Amino acid sequence: EVQLVQSETEVKKPGESLKISCKGSGYNFTNYWIGWVRQMPGKGLEWMGIIYPGDSDTRYSPSFQGQVTMSADRSTSVAYLQWSSLKASDTAMYFCARLVPVFAPSQWGQGTLVIVSS
Amino acid sequence: EIVLTQSPGTLSLSPGERATLSCRASQSISSTYLAWYQQKPGQAPRLLIFATSTRATGIPDRFSGSGSGTAFTLTVSRLEPEDFAVYYCQHYDSSPPMHTFGQGTKLEIK
Repeated sequence: EVQLVQSETEVKKPGESLKISCKGSGYNFTNYWIGWVRQMPGKGLEWMGIIYPGDSDTRYSPSFQGQVTMSADRSTSVAYLQWSSLKASDTAMYFCARLVPVFAPSQWGQGTLVIVSS
Repeated sequence: EIVLTQSPGTLSLSPGERATLSCRASQSISSTYLAWYQQKPGQAPRLLIFATSTRATGIPDRFSGSGSGTAFTLTVSRLEPEDFAVYYCQHYDSSPPMHTFGQGTKLEIK
């Protein structure tokens, strides 16, 4: 069974760094794009970007370029989303998705809630 | 960059009624790359329809999609209580690879 399991809720202060994870299982992690989606409280879904674990090819949506870093570890089948300096506006639920098919992802993680507050 | 505009923002209907949700693209797009998702509170999005009109695995046939060019529609023929949720259309652009969501339509019980 294909699964994407995301890391738990994080509570951080502005200016702190953070790395959240998405672990894939039940399939060849290397061969499928992983995408990240942000959902701010009470708001809609926003695509942040995608990463191909096979060669770490990464494509960021314009709004998120330079704001976050996506990475993947093929040896542990884990994709990461990280921030070097969090802002209160980064408070949101973050979902990862396996892009199968690439144009309409059907497999999603359960989401990681990130709360940034002083 | 393609912009997707969904209407209405909120749709209030009763169980058993028919729901029609609209998604308009800022320019003509391939019907292959238009999808619809359902999201309930506290849950991840669920793929309903891809390639404009193909139902995803396990999706009931009361859900249907149609459209072409810049105008796309998701129809729920007879609303069940579990259908009340937020619906998003989504587009994929292959060059460069980029996904975009519409802002969503909330389908609420009247």
